[in-house]
Amino acid sequence: QQQVKQSPQSLIVQKGGISIINCAYENTAFDYFPWYQQFPGKGPALLIAIRPDVSEKKEGRFTISFNKSAKQFSLHIMDSQPGDSATYFCAARSSNTGKLIFGQGTTLQVKP
Amino acid sequence: NAGVTQTPKFQVLKTGQSMTLQCAQDMNHEYMSWYRQDPGMGLRLIHYSVGAGITDQGEVPNGYNVSRSTTEDFPLRLLSAAPSQTSVYFCASQGAKDTEAFFGQGTRLTVV
Repeated sequence: QQQVKQSPQSLIVQKGGISIINCAYENTAFDYFPWYQQFPGKGPALLIAIRPDVSEKKEGRFTISFNKSAKQFSLHIMDSQPGDSATYFCAARSSNTGKLIFGQGTTLQVKP
Repeated sequence: NAGVTQTPKFQVLKTGQSMTLQCAQDMNHEYMSWYRQDPGMGLRLIHYSVGAGITDQGEVPNGYNVSRSTTEDFPLRLLSAAPSQTSVYFCASQGAKDTEAFFGQGTRLTVV
């Protein structure tokens, strides 16, 4: 079963708009929640990450919001740019084993 | 500084053939993982290693074998390829459980 569920599967946003991707997890033994960005033909690369003891983390135009009680976290991309067009993956790491479990991915297209 | 290197980049196999996907990292990382990426399924963990001589199964281990004889290398073996193993395979390494995972460029495998 999928322990990390991500939505939407695809997203189209106009340049300058806000892109929002949501993830929900089931296992309370997760202790680290990164987001990865992947461009076509490349491997995923870390974008931003959060630990469950904080509710929000911001790095430039990218913000993670974290709701521990609801077991949900989301990525917000402000002022979305065509260069942000990529596939985004949320992930959760097991505090016991260190294994990273990924969501299904979201393909973002930012229209100019 | 090569990071994580995967070979080959592309491979076509016939059903029943065997092959090894190579993964090497030069960052002296203890943690290494293999993932497969399929449309709509995200990145699914196949096998995982926390150090030389130690491996563990991930979410989808069936049909794949791994070993970790050195810190640098983590090969993935397909003993009898099946069409269901057609996918893009990514190797990743981490310096510790709570650090960024670095991914290779991927191996696109087609089983006919």
